[in-house]
Amino acid sequence: EVQLVESGGGLVKPGGSLRLSCAASGFTFSSYSMNWVRQAPGKGLEWVSFISSTGAYIYYADSLKGRFTISRDNAKNSLYLQMSSLRAEDTAVYYCARDVDRVGMFGMDVWGQGTTVTVSS
Amino acid sequence: DVQLTQSPSFLSASVGDRVTVTCRASQGVSNYLAWYQQKPGKAPKLLISAASTLQSGVPSRFSGSGSGTEFTLTISSLQPEDFAIYYCQQLNSYPPTFGQGTRLEIK
Repeated sequence: EVQLVESGGGLVKPGGSLRLSCAASGFTFSSYSMNWVRQAPGKGLEWVSFISSTGAYIYYADSLKGRFTISRDNAKNSLYLQMSSLRAEDTAVYYCARDVDRVGMFGMDVWGQGTTVTVSS
Repeated sequence: DVQLTQSPSFLSASVGDRVTVTCRASQGVSNYLAWYQQKPGKAPKLLISAASTLQSGVPSRFSGSGSGTEFTLTISSLQPEDFAIYYCQQLNSYPPTFGQGTRLEIK
C-alpha cells in the first residue's frame, strides 16, 4: 500500500524549533518529488515547500523567510521539515504530499494523515 | 504570486444536483491546474490534474475543464459522499498556490 506517515508535531513555544518527518512506503520514494503543505485551524491549504527527487531542487513559500528547511533521505525513504523561529501563525496541520510527476506540475496524489504543530506559550 | 479565486465560496445543493465550481487565476496558468476534495479531519484527495485529467478511481461524475485563467469543476449528479470542501491549485509557477476553497453542503 502506498503510504505517507508524518510524525514530529507537537506543542512548542514561540521562537522554538521542531523537526517533522514523513515516512514513505509502498512506492519508490527516490523517484518522486515531495512537498509539505499546511493548513491552519479552520483555514485553507497553504503550500510550504518542494524538494525534487534527488534533492537538487528546493523551493519554499516566501512567507517562511528562511525559517524552514526541507530535506530528504532516499536511503531511509524519509522526508523532513526542520522548522525554527516558530511563530503562532505557524500553528497548523502539516501534510507531506507526493507529486504526480517529477517536476511538480500535475498535483499531489498521495498525502499523509498530517501532523499537528501548535505554537503557543 | 498567482492568486486563485474560487466561486462560490459556499454552495448548498441536493443529492442528484449538477454543480459547478469556478476557479479564476490572476494570470494565465496554461492547463497546470489541479482540483482536490477535502473532508473534515482528512487529508486532501487529488481529483483532477492538468485541468481535465481524472485521477484513477475518481468517479466519472467529476469533470474539469478550462485553460489559461478560468477553470471549472463539475459534479454531474451529487452523491452524499461528495459533500466536502473543494480546492483548486495552480502549478504553473512557484509558489503553487491554492484557491480559498468552496464548501459544498447538503441543502
